[in-house]
Amino acid sequence: AQSVTQPDIHITVSEGASLELRCNYSYGATPYLFWYVQSPGQGLQLLLKYFSGDTLVQGIKGFEAEFKRSQSSFNLRKPSVHWSDAAEYFCAVALRMDSSYKLIFGSGTRLLVRP
Amino acid sequence: NAGVTQTPKFQVLKTGQSMTLQCAQDMNHEYMSWYRQDPGMGLRLIHYSVGAGITDQGEVPNGYNVSRSTTEDFPLRLLSAAPSQTSVYFCASSPDRGAETQYFGPGTRLLVL
Repeated sequence: AQSVTQPDIHITVSEGASLELRCNYSYGATPYLFWYVQSPGQGLQLLLKYFSGDTLVQGIKGFEAEFKRSQSSFNLRKPSVHWSDAAEYFCAVALRMDSSYKLIFGSGTRLLVRP
Repeated sequence: NAGVTQTPKFQVLKTGQSMTLQCAQDMNHEYMSWYRQDPGMGLRLIHYSVGAGITDQGEVPNGYNVSRSTTEDFPLRLLSAAPSQTSVYFCASSPDRGAETQYFGPGTRLLVL
């Protein structure tokens, strides 16, 4: 069955340090991949997405992600974390249905930022 | 543009009561969907719609009904609420059959006693 795995439930980093959030997917074809961020009490906002082409994609707020087909991964990175990045991050895969797609989400990674 | 709006923001129900969670979008998106978010489980798809008059089930449809009479509105109905339906519910819309960016509403927090 198709699935998305985010192995880290919580990650704590110091402000200014680099960040990498892991995401692995299980899907037969090349998927459409997304990273969303959820601030406390808010809905989800798209950070970046990968459909095809360059495997390194740039997103908002200085985030980037790299698609690695051989590892079935789509890890999210940021070179220098800011306190405002503290939030929950969700990786998602868009699975092709008959005439539409549906999103399958990972369980999320909560990022805590130390001052 | 208001984007995706949801009402109410918070609701308390007793077991067996019914209610409708409202969702509306003003972006003329054909695709709309409902998710529930539970701790440690991410978001799970309840129902989705690819256009007015067309709905389909997601991963966790039991206990929920939907209809899509207009492009703008996609209400979610709980016919007989159960404590297991205590959750945060998010509505989303997307411009391309769900393949593109999904725009989320602010959520409805539901507590079933």
